[in-house]
Amino acid sequence: DGGITQSPKYLFRKEGQNVTLSCEQNLNHDAMYWYRQDPGQGLRLIYYSQIVNDFQKGDIAEGYSVSREKKESFPLTVTSAQKNPTAFYLCASRGPPGSPLHFGNGTRLTVT
Amino acid sequence: QQQVKQSPQSLIVQKGGIPIINCAYENTAFDYFPWYQQFPGKGPALLIAIRPDVSEKKEGRFTISFNKSAKQFSLHIMDSQPGDSATYFCAASIVSNTGKLIFGQGTTLQVKP
Repeated sequence: DGGITQSPKYLFRKEGQNVTLSCEQNLNHDAMYWYRQDPGQGLRLIYYSQIVNDFQKGDIAEGYSVSREKKESFPLTVTSAQKNPTAFYLCASRGPPGSPLHFGNGTRLTVT
Repeated sequence: QQQVKQSPQSLIVQKGGIPIINCAYENTAFDYFPWYQQFPGKGPALLIAIRPDVSEKKEGRFTISFNKSAKQFSLHIMDSQPGDSATYFCAASIVSNTGKLIFGQGTTLQVKP
């Protein structure tokens, strides 16, 4: 079954701690994306990667970091510098240009 | 100029009604306009998409209307059902670019039985 797996589904952290969200895809897609979803604000792009070992900042990259060491994996680290980290985080991937984005089922992060 | 504005924020219709969700954009370079459907606790899933060379596209009960001159597009759901209750997002992108989608703010639809 091809798809995108995000884990864990729920994550709780104390303020000041870094946390890494996992995203794995077996769709053989080159491009991968991280979006953040907040109520009433739609989805906002954090980082994206079009190929292994390369990635670019999206619209709200401050306080986040990523790596793309393997085609299948695009982990997102939410650092202590992110001022409002509590949100629903969505990972997506895409095949050739013009093909649709496929999303995982998200990780809900709560920082207290 | 990168924004996509979506309205209304929420919508309640009776079963069988035709909810309409509207989106507007500024960047005339956008050439791909998808709609995504999201159920609670799940990721968005592609519903239907349109390119600017057509004015309308239908897939089952879902129709996109596209007005290039007005820079607007809308989603119509014919004969809506309670199972259509979800959040709907419009989006836009430039196909030849990085493929990153710019999303609207979302519309929460409730279809009452």
